[in-house]
Amino acid sequence: DQQVKQNSPSLSVQEGRISILNCDYTNSMFDYFLWYKKYPAEGPTFLISISSIKDKNEDGRFTVFLNKSAKHLSLHIVPSQPGDSAVYFCAASAGSGGSNYKLTFGKGTLLTVNP
Amino acid sequence: NAGVTQTPKFRVLKTGQSMTLLCAQDMNHEYMYWYRQDPGMGLRLIHYSVGEGTTAKGEVPDGYNVSRLKKQNFLLGLESAAPSQTSVYFCASSLRRGLSGELFFGEGSRLTVL
Repeated sequence: DQQVKQNSPSLSVQEGRISILNCDYTNSMFDYFLWYKKYPAEGPTFLISISSIKDKNEDGRFTVFLNKSAKHLSLHIVPSQPGDSAVYFCAASAGSGGSNYKLTFGKGTLLTVNP
Repeated sequence: NAGVTQTPKFRVLKTGQSMTLLCAQDMNHEYMYWYRQDPGMGLRLIHYSVGEGTTAKGEVPDGYNVSRLKKQNFLLGLESAAPSQTSVYFCASSLRRGLSGELFFGEGSRLTVL
């Protein structure tokens, strides 16, 4: 059973427009959520995170929104740049108090930003 | 600062052969992980370690063994490789558990089993 779902395998946007990547989760114990970015032939790198006590976290062009009642989060990139083209993984963990240290990843969404 | 280093980067094995992937981190992290990435499957946790001398099973541990004899190293072994183990393997480490959860990944090791 897939606990973290990224239902869009790919997304294509124009440079300068907004990119919205979506993620749904089923495990109500998840309380910390992260987004990772991965370029080809490289390891994933951490992008932004959000705790379940918040509904929004912003870092420059990147904003993550969390809707706990819908078990849904989204990553907004504004404005999108060609260098943002990569695979984006949503990840979640349970037990922010220190009892869990494993991340569960979604399958990823390939974002392509066209010049 | 090298971060997380994986060796080898590429390897081709025949079915039934054995091999070991080495992961080394120089960030003094307590926690280390081995993931595999397959097309359409995302990243799946194979084994992890919460400290020197400890190991635990993740989502897909069958066919793999691990050891954490030194804090900075985490080894992933395949005793008898199978074609289903063809994948890209990523090692990761993290400083602390819980609230942060941020993992630092290596560049990956591409393994092909014929």
